[in-house]
Amino acid sequence: QQPVQSPQAVILREGEDAVINCSSSKALYSVHWYRQKHGEAPVFLMILLKGGEQKGHDKISASFNEKKQQSSLYLTASQLSYSGTYFCGTDRRGNDMRFGAGTRLTVKP
Amino acid sequence: SAVISQKPSRDICQRGTSLTIQCQVDSQVTMMFWYRQQPGQSLTLIATANQGSEATYESGFVIDKFPISRPNLTFSTLTVSNMSPEDSSIYLCSAEQGYGYTFGSGTRLTVV
Repeated sequence: QQPVQSPQAVILREGEDAVINCSSSKALYSVHWYRQKHGEAPVFLMILLKGGEQKGHDKISASFNEKKQQSSLYLTASQLSYSGTYFCGTDRRGNDMRFGAGTRLTVKP
Repeated sequence: SAVISQKPSRDICQRGTSLTIQCQVDSQVTMMFWYRQQPGQSLTLIATANQGSEATYESGFVIDKFPISRPNLTFSTLTVSNMSPEDSSIYLCSAEQGYGYTFGSGTRLTVV
C-alpha cells in the first residue's frame, strides 16, 4: 500500500527550512527517502531502519517513528540544489518498496 | 553503491509491437525491481525479479504483458508486449544493496 506524503508541493527561498512528512497505515520494515530532479532517476538520500532513529546528511535529516508508522524529512537552510521531487519509500518485508506520491520542492534565490 | 546501465533511454514504438528494456548492474545483486513512472507522478512497482526464479508481479501487472528475464545476478530485461498508447511511460529498473535502491536512468517509451 502506497504511503501518504505531505505536503504535495513546497516553495522556499534559499536559506529557509522545510519538513516533508510520510505516513503508512501498515507496519514498516524501513523508510527510504529519495530525491528526483526533472528528467533524471531518483537518487537515494537515506534509509531509516529502527523506530525513533534519526539520520542526517549535510543539512538534510530524517526521523522515523515506528509506533506511529511515520517519517519526516527535514531540510534546513535550503540551497538551490535541493530543488526536486522528494519521495518516501516504505518497505514492509524488505523486498517490496512502495513510493509516496512525492513532494515537489522549489527553492528560489 | 551499484551503477546500473539501462537501455534504450527512449523509444517511439508502433502499437501492437514489443520493446525489450535491458538493465546491466556493475555488481551482483540478489533482487532487481522494475517500476513505471508517468511524468510528474510517483513510481509504481511492476515486478520483483530474483535470479533463477520467476518474477513476482504486482496487482494489475501480468507476465504475458510484461515478461521479465533475470538470467544472472547482474542483468535483467523487461519486455512491454503488444503495446498500446496507454503503455507510454517511463520505465525504470532498480537494485537494492542493503542501503537503498539504485535506479537505472530510465526508458522513456512513447507508443503511437
